[in-house]
Amino acid sequence: AQTVTQSQPEMSVQEAETVTLSCTYDTSENNYYLFWYKQPPSRQMILVIRQEAYKQQNATENRFSVNFQKAAKSFSLKISDSQLGDTAMYFCAFGTQGGSEKLVFGKGTKLTVNP
Amino acid sequence: GAGVSQTPSNKVTEKGKYVELRCDPISGHTALYWYRQSLGQGPEFLIYFQGTGAADDSGLPNDRFFAVRPEGSVSTLKIQRTERGDSAVYLCASSLRGLEKTQYFGPGTRLLVL
Repeated sequence: AQTVTQSQPEMSVQEAETVTLSCTYDTSENNYYLFWYKQPPSRQMILVIRQEAYKQQNATENRFSVNFQKAAKSFSLKISDSQLGDTAMYFCAFGTQGGSEKLVFGKGTKLTVNP
Repeated sequence: GAGVSQTPSNKVTEKGKYVELRCDPISGHTALYWYRQSLGQGPEFLIYFQGTGAADDSGLPNDRFFAVRPEGSVSTLKIQRTERGDSAVYLCASSLRGLEKTQYFGPGTRLLVL
């Protein structure tokens, strides 16, 4: 069974600074995707960034980038130039391509951006 | 365009009652997922539909839980004989087929069983 572990229950960062959220996962699959989702107090889960396991290049989306270490099964999220609107729960998730494309989520990291 | 919608946004019921939670996916999305999010946890998978059929229901906790998607669009999650432990936020997501396609989540239904 796949598992996703987020070891930081809470983190805080000053506005405009950089923060990194950690995620590790366990799987025997080769063809999979990794995701970071953001969940603000409104409860709506929003996709932040996606990484395909077979791509060695780390994904980037504007201020968000990942450090994907396949051998170590590590998938961290870096947020640059943090903004107050980045305050939210962040969930790391794993999905296997083909068959049931359900996502397996970690327990989340609560990020607070301070002014 | 319109996103995934879920009704009701909140539901309070008494132990032993029956509840139905509705999900309206994004038009044209063939894949639909239900997840359950307990307080302080990440979402946990319940069931996955591809079109009208349940392609994977391995996450349903027991036979009190059932979901349908009769016309391949709207889905209803049904919970019989509710228990206090069923209290959670129930999230619905839809997507086109394939993990390279984004799963779009609805705002969830918060269920409270008294």
